[in-house]
Amino acid sequence: DQQVKQNSPSLSVQEGRISILNCDYTNSMFDYFLWYKKYPAEGPTFLISISSIKDKNEDGRFTVFLNKSAKHLSLHIVPSQPGDSAVYFCAASKVNKLVFGAGTILRVKS
Amino acid sequence: EPEVTQTPSHQVTQMGQEVILRCVPISNHLYFYWYRQILGQKVEFLVSFYNNEISEKSEIFDDQFSVERPDGSNFTLKIRSTKLEDSAMYFCASSVEAGRQNSPLHFGNGTRLTVT
Repeated sequence: DQQVKQNSPSLSVQEGRISILNCDYTNSMFDYFLWYKKYPAEGPTFLISISSIKDKNEDGRFTVFLNKSAKHLSLHIVPSQPGDSAVYFCAASKVNKLVFGAGTILRVKS
Repeated sequence: EPEVTQTPSHQVTQMGQEVILRCVPISNHLYFYWYRQILGQKVEFLVSFYNNEISEKSEIFDDQFSVERPDGSNFTLKIRSTKLEDSAMYFCASSVEAGRQNSPLHFGNGTRLTVT
């Protein structure tokens, strides 16, 4: 099931700089999209979401952009902090379930 | 902040044995879910549950799996006869509503199931 893809397995960023995590999807029927963060030995924690009818949603240091024509979304974290180091999952919602991407490991170096 | 709790954190069982994974969802949530993540693979949807019945299930959720809400607080996943390939991290989740952007899923910390 390749409906949601995160093509970068890992990303390394300097503290204070911007982190950009990318996600592509294939199913145009998804109604909204989410980003989750996951630390080792913990479950995914909800970060931010965006409706399929919007192109941007911002919450503090986190901004999600949606490009429906390209079926692409991205998560921007600025400024990045060492505590942001985690696995980030993109997920897409279809009625009653989430379809997850494979995740991107973000490392923020101090 | 209220959270989803799962027990046990790690369960080891022999192939062919039955296991029950337990979850206590957030108290005012109405929709409950099980997901799993096999080591090195994606988080995969197993089943959603609302109003004491299954709303949707994936092809993974075959006759070996069942879910139950035996009382007002617990939500369980039973695997009747475990196989080696059932080894995974199992995540329980809950939400106030389903399919609504302002009602995201809240996940527990997972139960690591190891089938030997």
